[in-house]
Amino acid sequence: EAGVAQSPRYKIIEKRQSVAFWCNPISGHATLYWYQQILGQGPKLLIQFQNNGVVDDSQLPKDRFSAERLKGVDSTLKIQPAKLEDSAVYLCASSFSRWGQEITGELFFGEGSRLTVL
Amino acid sequence: KQEVTQIPAALSVPEGENLVLNCSFTDSAIYNLQWFRQDPGKGLTSLLLIQSSQREQTSGRLNASLDKSSGRSTLYIAASQPGDSATYLCAVQGGSEKLVFGKGTKLTVNP
Repeated sequence: EAGVAQSPRYKIIEKRQSVAFWCNPISGHATLYWYQQILGQGPKLLIQFQNNGVVDDSQLPKDRFSAERLKGVDSTLKIQPAKLEDSAVYLCASSFSRWGQEITGELFFGEGSRLTVL
Repeated sequence: KQEVTQIPAALSVPEGENLVLNCSFTDSAIYNLQWFRQDPGKGLTSLLLIQSSQREQTSGRLNASLDKSSGRSTLYIAASQPGDSATYLCAVQGGSEKLVFGKGTKLTVNP
């Protein structure tokens, strides 16, 4: 079974430029998460989707970050304009569980996309 | 607001030693607790998932316990090997539906 796919693996941009990350979850997984992991920290949830609807985006800096999952499968995370403090690894994860219908299950993570903002 | 703390932040042990990693959380109303492993430059690999109704889970040389009432979990690694060197992250999933992570314990197993 294929895992969670993410691209690009690495991206270097200058501040105020824009960047987009792509994630393809495990087939059949209803829930998709984007996490931000700054060096030396644990991952922090940015946004959680169930199918193509947003469950939680309370920690997403909406003035510069946006995410979509239009067909309930793959997802994109965009940053525009980027700031120095956005340098981090952006992790995508998916799980089979559907919130509100059953207790959640195991999360599976992709390899991450490492962003460096100069 | 759920907070997850992992102690110690870093641990260095000789090969063959048994070791314990600790995780504590402030809100005991959780659905589950997961332990992950992260190698440098890599994503997270799930090691063990403990549902709130369970006390422990085992996989090979790994054993994780959960004491929900006291807000604690431990990850026990038996007969450690150099290949176990990585950062171990604890995360809890609760009523807010978020998976909240600790900062991790960086483990080094010396040959």
